[in-house]
Amino acid sequence: AQSVTQPDIHITVSEGASLELRCNYSYGATPYLFWYVQSPGQGLQLLLKYFSGDTLVQGIKGFEAEFKRSQSSFNLRKPSVHWSDAAEYFCAVGRHGSSNTGKLIFGQGTTLQVKP
Amino acid sequence: DAGVTQSPTHLIKTRGQQVTLRCSPKSGHDTVSWYQQALGQGPQFIFQYYEEEERQRGNFPDRFSGHQFPNYSSELNVNALLLGDSALYLCASSPRTSGSWANEQFFGPGTRLTVL
Repeated sequence: AQSVTQPDIHITVSEGASLELRCNYSYGATPYLFWYVQSPGQGLQLLLKYFSGDTLVQGIKGFEAEFKRSQSSFNLRKPSVHWSDAAEYFCAVGRHGSSNTGKLIFGQGTTLQVKP
Repeated sequence: DAGVTQSPTHLIKTRGQQVTLRCSPKSGHDTVSWYQQALGQGPQFIFQYYEEEERQRGNFPDRFSGHQFPNYSSELNVNALLLGDSALYLCASSPRTSGSWANEQFFGPGTRLTVL
């Protein structure tokens, strides 16, 4: 079955510290991948995306992510976290190919708390 | 560009009632997807509309139905509301470019539905 796992439900980091949020997928096909961020009561904002090519992708707000096919992972990183980064982060996976449907499968999310 | 807009922002209904949620896609987008996000969960795919037809459906009962209009806007209808239908309903739009569905989805702010 297709699934996306975000192993860390809640992460707390100090402001200025580095951050890595994990995402693993099981999809049985060539994936395309997204990281979205959601502030309380808001919709989803796209941080970055991977469709093909360079496996290290840069996004907005200083975020980056690396696609590792051998590990079925797409971890999100940021070298120095700001208090405004506190939010819910979602990894999402879609499927390339002729049978691609445009349907996205989301992980359960990781809540990031930033300590001053 | 107003982005994806949804109405209403909040809605309170009682069990057994029916509800209609509305979505206007981002300018230039012709494909609309609907997602349900229960509290503390990631979004779950309900269905997707393209060329005024439902082209893909997630694991949701027939009580959930939709429509897409010639101007690409969309409605989500839920009949016989249950307490478990309480959630944030997100609309996402995307362009179908080069014959591919593998495109970035832009999300609206959502409609918060509470069923009492």
